[in-house]
Amino acid sequence: DSGVTQTPKHLITATGQRVTLRCSPRSGDLSVYWYQQSLDQGLQFLIQYYNGEERAKGNILERFSAQQFPDLHSELNLSSLELGDSALYFCASSVDGQALGTQYFGPGTRLLVL
Amino acid sequence: AQSVTQLDSQVPVFEEAPVELRCNYSSSVSVYLFWYVQYPNQGLQLLLKYLSGSTLVKGINGFEAEFNKSQTSFHLRKPSVHISDTAEYFCAVSRSNSGYALNFGKGTSLLVTP
Repeated sequence: DSGVTQTPKHLITATGQRVTLRCSPRSGDLSVYWYQQSLDQGLQFLIQYYNGEERAKGNILERFSAQQFPDLHSELNLSSLELGDSALYFCASSVDGQALGTQYFGPGTRLLVL
Repeated sequence: AQSVTQLDSQVPVFEEAPVELRCNYSSSVSVYLFWYVQYPNQGLQLLLKYLSGSTLVKGINGFEAEFNKSQTSFHLRKPSVHISDTAEYFCAVSRSNSGYALNFGKGTSLLVTP
């Protein structure tokens, strides 16, 4: 158990819909990363937050957005869903968002868009 | 831009045999290197990381990796594998100007058989 929690575990929805994925980092960790794992693209970095502020952006689509709240939990919002958005979405947290801080991964949310 | 190449998509090996999983990276600046393991239906777990110092890095579960700057490689090795090592292994790099987000290779599936 990494100490990072993600809800829900599974999500099935239809094209065009909007979903919210939630992540609670390990106690004391200030930085949260979101990654997408799909068969086509592999593991891709989406976005990073540090203490409530966006720090880095990866291959995140404009239809996707995220935020980190004052209690440090984070939410990833996916809208206008397409079939290709079906994937495993991971959240990872680290103490300071630096190289020395190990990123601990949650168990993921499996999204299926029908 | 940085990229990570895992040269083998699948590696079958017999139990108690040695194994090497290969990883090459490309980057024009200093990078930090990682190996993560993903067991079926689970999140990613850090095996080991290279930040600086000794080029031979020891990790959990008997794994080790050697950083070779001239060959831009970071191969993962284990002298004797167990059935329980069957999993997907990911090599990753990070650097400071992307928030230390992990850039992953496509992964190598290690299958250990009796």
